[in-house]
Formats: sequence, C-alpha cells, structure tokens
Amino acid sequence: DAKTTQPNSMESNEEEPVHLPCNHSTISGTDYIHWYRQLPSQGPEYVIHGLTSNVNNRMASLAIAEDRKSSTLILHRATLRDAAVYYCILRDITSGTYKYIFGTGTRLKVLA
Amino acid sequence: NAGVMQNPRHLVRRRGQEARLRCSPMKGHSHVYWYRQLPEEGLKFMVYLQKENIIDESGMPKERFSAEFPKEGPSILRIQQVVRGDSAAYFCASSPNSGISSYNEQFFGPGTRLTVL
Repeated sequence: DAKTTQPNSMESNEEEPVHLPCNHSTISGTDYIHWYRQLPSQGPEYVIHGLTSNVNNRMASLAIAEDRKSSTLILHRATLRDAAVYYCILRDITSGTYKYIFGTGTRLKVLA
Repeated sequence: NAGVMQNPRHLVRRRGQEARLRCSPMKGHSHVYWYRQLPEEGLKFMVYLQKENIIDESGMPKERFSAEFPKEGPSILRIQQVVRGDSAAYFCASSPNSGISSYNEQFFGPGTRLTVL
C-alpha cells in the first residue's frame, strides 16, 4: 500500500501558484520523497525529489516539513500544461526497495 | 538521447489471444520495470528485470504473464490467453542502476494501451 495521502483533486487558476500537499506520517529516516506527474495519455514524468531540505529545480519546489511527516510540491506559476495527476511517493533506497508504490495521486485542474 | 520507447502504443486483442508488449530502455540503462495502470488508478508494480535476469516479479500475476529482458533487444511483457480484465495501460520504466546505493530516478515510456474485446 502507498505510504502517502494526497487530496484527490485540486484546482488552480492559470499563472497562479499551486501548493500540492502530501502526508506521509509513517516516513522513515531513509525514505526519499519523490514527486512524479502524469499528463493525460502519457507515462509518469519525474518532477522533483528530496530527503530533508527544501529543493528547487526548473519545474517546481519541494517544501519538506521539519518533522518530515508532510511535504508540499509548489508550482510557482501554473500553466495549462501543468494539468496532470501528481503522485507523491516514498522510496527507501537503503533497503533495496527499487519499485515505486503509487497511490491515486492528486488530479490538478488548471483554469484559464 | 531517445527516451524509453514502447510499442505498440495501442494493442487490441480478442479474449484468448496473446499480447506482446515491447520496451526499449534508454541508452545506457540496464534496469527495466513494468507497471500496470487500470483506469482511474495509480500505477502498480509488476516486475523488475536486469539484462537476462528477473530480479523481482512479486507484482506479476502467477499465471499467463511473463517477462524477459534478453541480452540483445527490448524487454518483452507477454500475456497469454488474455481476458477482459487485462485491459489496462502498461508502462515500462528504465534506470541506469537499481538505486540501492545511490539515488536514481526511473524514466517512464509512453505506455501500451491494451484493449481486450
């Protein structure tokens, strides 16, 4: 079973920031937090990952709570092309767990 | 650098026929993963392969499903005697290593959408 909890859906207006939350209260010290997104009729696409510190890349930012029991994916300016299902996934690389366990994700709708 | 390639993109089979799904990993990647996605659900892990070896097939149904990743050529997911419940999107992903000792992401292909009539 997925170890993360996400809202089923969210809406955002175009050009506005979007904060996608993820709860992972049972996270272990060696679990990395990954975010992938799946655009319609496509395979999942890597967005960002982190362990403890906040992370930024060209696509998004990842804010990780101090106790690591939750995290937030931040899209700074949503565009119509960001409409997708966003998956928050935990993966412990030290245990040899190489497979991703996907939940149902958050379906983001971007309004023009 | 071409990404993960899957073919066919769409496959229609009648009940009882065989389905063969192919996956060519990214150049330099020797690890392949297969996932299945039913409508309105997240992806479910099926099998993890390295060249010529099945490492973990814990997500594969015990019957009718098999996978291989030969020394030469693409990885193949084979479904024998398909049933309507096999209708789904099948995604392949690849990575340069298993990520046990260091982080690495999995790169996903566009998927094969199997429809069983």
